[in-house]
Amino acid sequence: EADIYQTPRYLVIGTGKKITLECSQTMGHDKMYWYQQDPGMELHLIHYSYGVNSTEKGDLSSESTVSRIRTEHFPLTLESARPSHTSQYLCASSGSRGPNTEAFFGQGTRLTVV
Amino acid sequence: EDQVTQSPEALRLQEGESSSLNCSYTVSGLRGLFWYRQDPGKGPEFLFTLYSAGEEKEKERLKATLTKKESFLHITAPKPEDSATYLCAVNVGGWGAQKLVFGQGTRLTINP
Repeated sequence: EADIYQTPRYLVIGTGKKITLECSQTMGHDKMYWYQQDPGMELHLIHYSYGVNSTEKGDLSSESTVSRIRTEHFPLTLESARPSHTSQYLCASSGSRGPNTEAFFGQGTRLTVV
Repeated sequence: EDQVTQSPEALRLQEGESSSLNCSYTVSGLRGLFWYRQDPGKGPEFLFTLYSAGEEKEKERLKATLTKKESFLHITAPKPEDSATYLCAVNVGGWGAQKLVFGQGTRLTINP
């Protein structure tokens, strides 16, 4: 079973609040990812990281930011939450056996901004 | 533009009734096609990776195949526990990091 954890699982927060979604993995993977998924829709890549101190934006524009100070930790931050940020956020990681190495996903954080 | 289209959007089968799910793709450079299973409220769970046309992989009641423009997920004699959303994704990233483009998924329901 994949060891990648996201907290919180569910978050309801008011507009304008700063939030951080946590993601940790214990597999020693160097590559980590954040995907956004609206209900019934496809996942979209919003951020990824090759390793420590590396972060890149994905194909879907997002107002969130990420950091990668430690291999196992890849938090996502929204400085000022808005209702348009309501979505499910999924964190994933993959190892270094080439681009076709499977990604392991966390359980996701379902964010609701009211 | 890289695009992945899955059909049907939803499929209801009786237990034991075999069928196939389709994933068609148009990408600039395919570096692997992935099938995932997603249960409600959970993250996707990896099933298969296919690298080149003609490749096939099997796991229990599932078999994935790949051609140059599409992939099929065949489900043989399904059971109710196979009910889930099945996601297809293609990797359009390079050797540095995996960048997956996902389809919308097929929501499969197996009735007992």
